[in-house]
Amino acid sequence: NAGVTQTPKFQVLKTGQSMTLQCAQDMNHEYMSWYRQDPGMGLRLIHYSVGAGITDQGEVPNGYNVSRSTTEDFPLRLLSAAPSQTSVYFCASSRGVGAFFGQGTRLTVV
Amino acid sequence: AQTVTQSQPEMSVQEAETVTLSCTYDTSESNYYLFWYKQPPSRQMILVIRQEAYKQQNATENRFSVNFQKAAKSFSLKISDSQLGDTAMYFCAFMGAFNAGNMLTFGGGTRLMVKP
Repeated sequence: NAGVTQTPKFQVLKTGQSMTLQCAQDMNHEYMSWYRQDPGMGLRLIHYSVGAGITDQGEVPNGYNVSRSTTEDFPLRLLSAAPSQTSVYFCASSRGVGAFFGQGTRLTVV
Repeated sequence: AQTVTQSQPEMSVQEAETVTLSCTYDTSESNYYLFWYKQPPSRQMILVIRQEAYKQQNATENRFSVNFQKAAKSFSLKISDSQLGDTAMYFCAFMGAFNAGNMLTFGGGTRLMVKP
């Protein structure tokens, strides 16, 4: 039972570099989303998708891009990494009420 | 927009005792869902319990129960017979019943330490 799989689990980037965080789910869920977790702020929504080809911005979208070409995959792209993007990133998927989360990616931008 | 507030950044409890974590929220919606998620040191987000706003009965899952006060917009989590494995961050979360995408709004979290 894979559920929601995120890769990588850890990453260090230099300021200005770009990278893609991968997220895949095998539950045929319509909805997928990306959150970032920062101390004292809980998880905040970056982008979300209600189905293949449909994405929208969340609370903190600046500096991130997403696309959803298939039901299973929802990658998050950092265009030009900044130290303010140092965080733990979670991908989630859902169909009904509640969400299933991946194990998170700890990203450090130096 | 809705907000979720957890006023206790850190709490501790002795093993086998009972502890209550607080959560308040603000929304103009009449129908919604509330959740408590547990995040142990492994970082995995684990759903502990959920409550539908239209249900008056408080949800219960084994040692975990909630006190849902809709008028007061309060949703506290009670952990009975605390165990060492309950040590974790706990997040309260809100989801509107009609929100496209099933997005969650989280509180800032409460770090719970269970002491032997």
